[in-house]
Amino acid sequence: DAKTTQPPSMDCAEGRAANLPCNHSTISGNEYVYWYRQIHSQGPQYIIHGLKNNETNEMASLIITEDRKSSTLILPHATLRDTAVYYCIALVYNQGGKLIFGQGTELSVKP
Amino acid sequence: EAQVTQNPRYLITVTGKKLTVTCSQNMNHEYMSWYRQDPGLGLRQIYYSMNVEVTDKGDVPEGYKVSRKEKRNFPLILESPSPNQTSLYFCASSPPPGVNQPQHFGDGTRLSIL
Repeated sequence: DAKTTQPPSMDCAEGRAANLPCNHSTISGNEYVYWYRQIHSQGPQYIIHGLKNNETNEMASLIITEDRKSSTLILPHATLRDTAVYYCIALVYNQGGKLIFGQGTELSVKP
Repeated sequence: EAQVTQNPRYLITVTGKKLTVTCSQNMNHEYMSWYRQDPGLGLRQIYYSMNVEVTDKGDVPEGYKVSRKEKRNFPLILESPSPNQTSLYFCASSPPPGVNQPQHFGDGTRLSIL
């Protein structure tokens, strides 16, 4: 699985967009980029995933660079409930479906 | 509501006393998996199952057993628990990995082995 690199922590003001970067410079052509988050010690929650094209759903947007070496998760209007650890995972589902969680980015949304 | 249910949510027990953590999903998913989460080590896969009667080891299987007799259930068994198995455990399920659909996680089970 490709190694991903994320900043350990970020702050964001409530109501503003939160932009969380992820580097995955060794990603290969068939590796998807997944984002999960974990609030306190709850179970990881799926946010979004993509391969090449930018993706958007009701929670967030995912911007993947053309060379696929990096991506950005965008929470358009962050709320206090978005405070969590965000994990970026580059994954090929041919190794037992294993998700390799790195250290993630601890996002603090402040009033 | 689609969900993965783990029981118990919390357990304090003693070394050597066999215990089982249950995991059940209502989404008819083929794939199920167990992870443990420890400070500084992140989440690590213990065992996974591709379908009924098909299980395999993950990265940290020592001291654990699993079974998959029914599609919806995937219990994690600690035959002789030890203090180094004190951890936060998560069960997850999804369609087959090749379908490229996300895994759904349970709320976690916090085990303390004294």
